[in-house]
Amino acid sequence: DTAVSQTPKYLVTQMGNDKSIKCEQNLGHDTMYWYKQDSKKFLKIMFSYNNKELIINETVPNRFSPKSPDKAHLNLHINSLELGDSAVYFCASSAGTGRMNTEAFFGQGTRLTVV
Amino acid sequence: GNSVTQMEGPVTLSEEAFLTINCTYTATGYPSLFWYVQYPGEGLQLLLKATKADDKGSNKGFEATYRKETTSFHLEKGSVQVSDSAVYFCALGSGGGADGLTFGKGTHLIIQP
Repeated sequence: DTAVSQTPKYLVTQMGNDKSIKCEQNLGHDTMYWYKQDSKKFLKIMFSYNNKELIINETVPNRFSPKSPDKAHLNLHINSLELGDSAVYFCASSAGTGRMNTEAFFGQGTRLTVV
Repeated sequence: GNSVTQMEGPVTLSEEAFLTINCTYTATGYPSLFWYVQYPGEGLQLLLKATKADDKGSNKGFEATYRKETTSFHLEKGSVQVSDSAVYFCALGSGGGADGLTFGKGTHLIIQP
């Protein structure tokens, strides 16, 4: 069984479009995240969501909006896509936010290409 | 704020060579430390972890020791294989809700037969 699964794996779309990436975890974790990996492989957190509380990273444009229908799902919706949004987006989950619970389990990633 | 610094690659070694990838960190409090590995076209997998000073994490022949005095968590392996070729990320988690994990920039390791 896949612990953290995200779909689609690849997404190619035109500038200006709106798209969503879905994520589900079956680990029973309380906290889920979205990370962005740029072309140089640098990973940076975008959002974390803990027990229905969204914690926003202020460096993320408001075109990006996470949506969590329940504790096991955290989807990422992106409006008005730009060329600079091209990256690999990773969903992850952890047991909690305390220091001993920060081990994260990652999905396989979604490679978004904006043309 | 938190930060992780690791040697950038690519690092190219011959099979059966000894591997060290350096990692140092800056953090408030006492973070947990991790090494993640990313094989080509795949997601991140946890390789090993350590949650307190002097702990040694180990897995698949890789080891790293949490050194509080030098704020380091260097990754080592005694004899690398071609299958170890991947990108390795050092990361820390300090428990802040919005912080998640703070990653280093990754080290691309290439093992030649």
